[in-house]
Amino acid sequence: GENVGLHLPTLSVQEGDNSIINCAYSNSASDYFIWYKQESGKGPQFIIDIRSNMDKRQGQRVTVLLNKTVKHLSLQIAATQPGDSAVYFCAEIAYYNTDKLIFGTGTRLQVFP
Amino acid sequence: EPEVTQTPSHQVTQMGQEVILRCVPISNHLYFYWYRQILGQKVEFLVSFYNNEISEKSEIFDDQFSVERPDGSNFTLKIRSTKLEDSAMYFCASSPGTGGDQPQHFGDGTRLSIL
Repeated sequence: GENVGLHLPTLSVQEGDNSIINCAYSNSASDYFIWYKQESGKGPQFIIDIRSNMDKRQGQRVTVLLNKTVKHLSLQIAATQPGDSAVYFCAEIAYYNTDKLIFGTGTRLQVFP
Repeated sequence: EPEVTQTPSHQVTQMGQEVILRCVPISNHLYFYWYRQILGQKVEFLVSFYNNEISEKSEIFDDQFSVERPDGSNFTLKIRSTKLEDSAMYFCASSPGTGGDQPQHFGDGTRLSIL
């Protein structure tokens, strides 16, 4: 797939455990953040987003936490399932002057039965 | 759920030839984007498009690249004279607007291989 060769950090978890995927961003002016999931042979799939005026947002089985002080974003997946196996990217955007997404390197999540 | 569709899924082209990558964005979306991902690298922004004109482009998007919305449903990326280094996955994305809570939704990409 397109992420072959990319030296991705890998997180291996047991099915049913919780997963935490971390991301550091660089632009303190970024005001909107998105987590994407990319399965092999597919495009990035939207999971959850958060604006900079929030520090936590919850979805179905997923929670995103934002710490602007240290420019850190995390994605928590509850009760991880084999179908969660994929590469996860955080992306940032500074809407005051652009609408382009800046993607992070990505983390490969492997779920074992 | 509506989705962005891209064709072809794989395009093989001789160096120096023109190539057109096609995308059908989600129907009520107004903002359109192209990104690319070279094997082993990050997803990179190429261009954004709104109201029939380019709103932003990256330094990658040089004179060899162009985008067009030829009708009410298609959004295309043209590379006039392809180079070996253009080999990559090209992703189209669309969004209903900009600003928070208006995420960009991606297609599954076209793998472009330049020989």
